[in-house]
Amino acid sequence: GENVEQHPSTLSVQEGDSAVIKCTYSDSASNYFPWYKQELGKGPQLIIDIRSNVGEKKDQRIAVTLNKTAKHFSLHITETQPEDSAVYFCAAPQAGTALIFGKGTTLSVSS
Amino acid sequence: EAGVVQSPRYKIIEKKQPVAFWCNPISGHNTLYWYRQNLGQGPELLIRYENEEAVDDSQLPKDRFSAERLKGVDSTLKIQPAELGDSAVYLCASSTGHRQPQHFGDGTRLSIL
Repeated sequence: GENVEQHPSTLSVQEGDSAVIKCTYSDSASNYFPWYKQELGKGPQLIIDIRSNVGEKKDQRIAVTLNKTAKHFSLHITETQPEDSAVYFCAAPQAGTALIFGKGTTLSVSS
Repeated sequence: EAGVVQSPRYKIIEKKQPVAFWCNPISGHNTLYWYRQNLGQGPELLIRYENEEAVDDSQLPKDRFSAERLKGVDSTLKIQPAELGDSAVYLCASSTGHRQPQHFGDGTRLSIL
């Protein structure tokens, strides 16, 4: 079945720095890759997603890149702010079923 | 647009007791998902509905878990009897269709004593 590996598990940056989180997936048929942000006591919030027909997508300070050959995709956050502190999850679809989530990355942005 | 609404937010019960969770998806979203999220982990799918039909329940422990989505809108997830290992956050999500962006509610945090 699909396996989604996410790294790093924790990431600490200074305000204004960039943060990068990487995920790898195993199912070559996967074609949709969302990223979620989860704050304490809240449900995951979709922040950006990408489909396999594009290599990069950007939304203000957030971008996602996809390398289908290597089967990995990454979340890039530029000019980080304290409110970016949260747990971030990547996900990829398993054939015939719903999303498989990574184990999450705890991002801490210190001012 | 109102988001996915779940209730209750918290539930504490003793083991072997029954418990039920309720979910109201975003209006117009035909696909509804129930996930379980253990501490420090990502969500794991329990069941997916397309309208009122359960189309993927392969990860649902059917000996004690049941779900229904009458009329293809609201859904309930039930555990009977609850076990200590069922302590987790139960999340509901909805989307306009399979493989479309999923939107999550804030979940029900279940604690089993």
